[in-house]
Amino acid sequence: GQNIDQPTEMTATEGAIVQINCTYQTSGFNGLFWYQQHAGEAPTFLSYNVLDGLEEKGRFSSFLSRSKGYSYLLLKELQMKDSASYLCAVPTPRQLTFGSGTQLTVLP
Amino acid sequence: EAQVTQNPRYLITVTGKKLTVTCSQNMNHEYMSWYRQDPGLGLRQIYYSMNVEVTDKGDVPEGYKVSRKEKRNFPLILESPSPNQTSLYFCASKGGVAKNIQYFGAGTRLSVL
Repeated sequence: GQNIDQPTEMTATEGAIVQINCTYQTSGFNGLFWYQQHAGEAPTFLSYNVLDGLEEKGRFSSFLSRSKGYSYLLLKELQMKDSASYLCAVPTPRQLTFGSGTQLTVLP
Repeated sequence: EAQVTQNPRYLITVTGKKLTVTCSQNMNHEYMSWYRQDPGLGLRQIYYSMNVEVTDKGDVPEGYKVSRKEKRNFPLILESPSPNQTSLYFCASKGGVAKNIQYFGAGTRLSVL
């Protein structure tokens, strides 16, 4: 089975950088996803890491270390609209198993 | 526009009154899935379908049914809703070129009184 841990809440200031960590244990690794979810809305895809290393996509970057069972999402130049829940998830062919999500609050 | 469409978006019903939440995708995806989301518990899978006429239970299937008669549609059926099924429900699909990425519908907020 899969076990995913991420912090429940984080707070940061507009313009700052924040790193949201995720650790996972899985019986078979098929990559790791990050989704963003605003309150009451659908999760939207941010990134998918299969290989070790950092992948950058604009203000958002995602890092993966398969040997450590560890990933992080890095958000730069934070904006108020980045206030949302960030979900770490690991896939199998049958399902996507999500962590409980990290609620990020961006303060002015 | 590629999308997953759920209806209704909001629903208030009473215990025991059968209801169906529809889900349709226009991306020709083979895989579709239903999740529920509850505070503190995150997203949990209810049922999934690998293709037409192929469905299977997820982590929390009790009290739900699904069908997959056509590729684009994957309705969620609550035969006898109970208050513990009050939740936010999401349908998702994946397939095609970006075969591992699941795309979610806008959600259905269900209240069972």
